[in-house]
Amino acid sequence: AQTVTQSQPEMSVQEAETVTLSCTYDTSESDYYLFWYKQPPSRQMILVIRQEAYKQQNATENRFSVNFQKAAKSFSLKISDSQLGDAAMYFCARTGTASKLTFGTGTRLQVTL
Amino acid sequence: NAGVTQTPKFQVLKTGQSMTLQCAQDMNHEYMSWYRQDPGMGLRLIHYSVGAGITDQGEVPNGYNVSRSTTEDFPLRLLSAAPSQTSVYFCASSYRDRATEAFFGQGTRLTVV
Repeated sequence: AQTVTQSQPEMSVQEAETVTLSCTYDTSESDYYLFWYKQPPSRQMILVIRQEAYKQQNATENRFSVNFQKAAKSFSLKISDSQLGDAAMYFCARTGTASKLTFGTGTRLQVTL
Repeated sequence: NAGVTQTPKFQVLKTGQSMTLQCAQDMNHEYMSWYRQDPGMGLRLIHYSVGAGITDQGEVPNGYNVSRSTTEDFPLRLLSAAPSQTSVYFCASSYRDRATEAFFGQGTRLTVV
């Protein structure tokens, strides 16, 4: 099975600090897409950021950015200037030749004052 | 726009009962899918559909049935509920282009006793 691995079940960050969530994946495809989704306590799944595998430039969305290392099959999420509203479960996911999403097991992020 | 509407939000079933989780989207998305979310396991794909009349199995299809008679609707049927099917279920939809964002319903928390 082609998997997505998130090795940090829980992370904690102080408000206004920076935190990095790790994700590695396995794929035999050369063209694929990577995503980070946020799931707050409301259960709603919210897209945070998206990366196209054929683009070398790392994606950025405001305070969220990724470090995409294609050769290492690594896709980490950096959250800068963390806010209380960033507290949530974060899922890394990948699509391949179809629109099927394969998810990691998630990282629960706590934000403290 | 309503987006993806999933009902019910909560359900308790007795072992052996059957039920249907409803999912509807109003974005004219070709691709629809069902996931289950269990603690420590992320979201796992149950069934998916790439268009009306076309369905296929995902990672964990046993005990579930789907059909797609229209573009808008993609119900998930539990044939004979088992305690192992206690989970949170999500319906999602997207354009068939695998680069696009998947939109999720609010989830159904199902408990089988």
